[in-house]
Amino acid sequence: QVQLVQSGAEVKKPGASVKISCKASGDTFTNFYVHWVRQAPGQGLEWMAIIDPTGVVTRNAQKFQGRVSMTSDTSTSSVYMDLNSLTSEDTAVYYCATEPPHTRYFDSWGQGTLVTVSS
Amino acid sequence: QSALTQPASVSGSLGQSITISCTATSSDVGGYIPVSWYQHHPGKAPKLMIYDVSNRPSGASYRFSGSKSGNTASLTISGLQAEDEGDYYCTSYTSRYTYVFGTGTKVTVL
Repeated sequence: QVQLVQSGAEVKKPGASVKISCKASGDTFTNFYVHWVRQAPGQGLEWMAIIDPTGVVTRNAQKFQGRVSMTSDTSTSSVYMDLNSLTSEDTAVYYCATEPPHTRYFDSWGQGTLVTVSS
Repeated sequence: QSALTQPASVSGSLGQSITISCTATSSDVGGYIPVSWYQHHPGKAPKLMIYDVSNRPSGASYRFSGSKSGNTASLTISGLQAEDEGDYYCTSYTSRYTYVFGTGTKVTVL
């Protein structure tokens, strides 16, 4: 099973962007898709986006259309998520998670990255 | 507004069984769409408990089981233990090639 390690907590001002990394180990990087899921304070889990390890295929929830982008670096087994035009409603813990291709479930999760958006 | 509705809370006594429902409220997630379930303890990463409606991954307790009838999936926890307290989420793949989580259920062990 793959292990995922995410980058550390971030504090951003409204209108700024944040870039979170997710580094995989323990399995061949091209053997799974990577998803991004977030949880705002007091709220449930929310699916954001998916990227295949080559970075060719990406999809995101309609809610984040135009604000989220993802890249993949196979040389470092890392995936990056950029979220721009931040507002206080983007304050949340962000998780990356892996999906064995075409299985539709998330079998490994990162430890989470807290992003706080505050002026 | 999630297309998967769960009860906000479910409680049970030690050793009892409880069932959490997950009802599709949109045609986007109706029909045969794989359903998975996750346990989430505050401050920790979510953990896969059930996939493809009723399959249990290695590492998930045998006390967890899943089923589906029509547009409602269910997670049953048998022999409830104190460590089962936490939040539980169903998730499904949609006809728009995206994913959606249920509204979440807080499980309390009395």
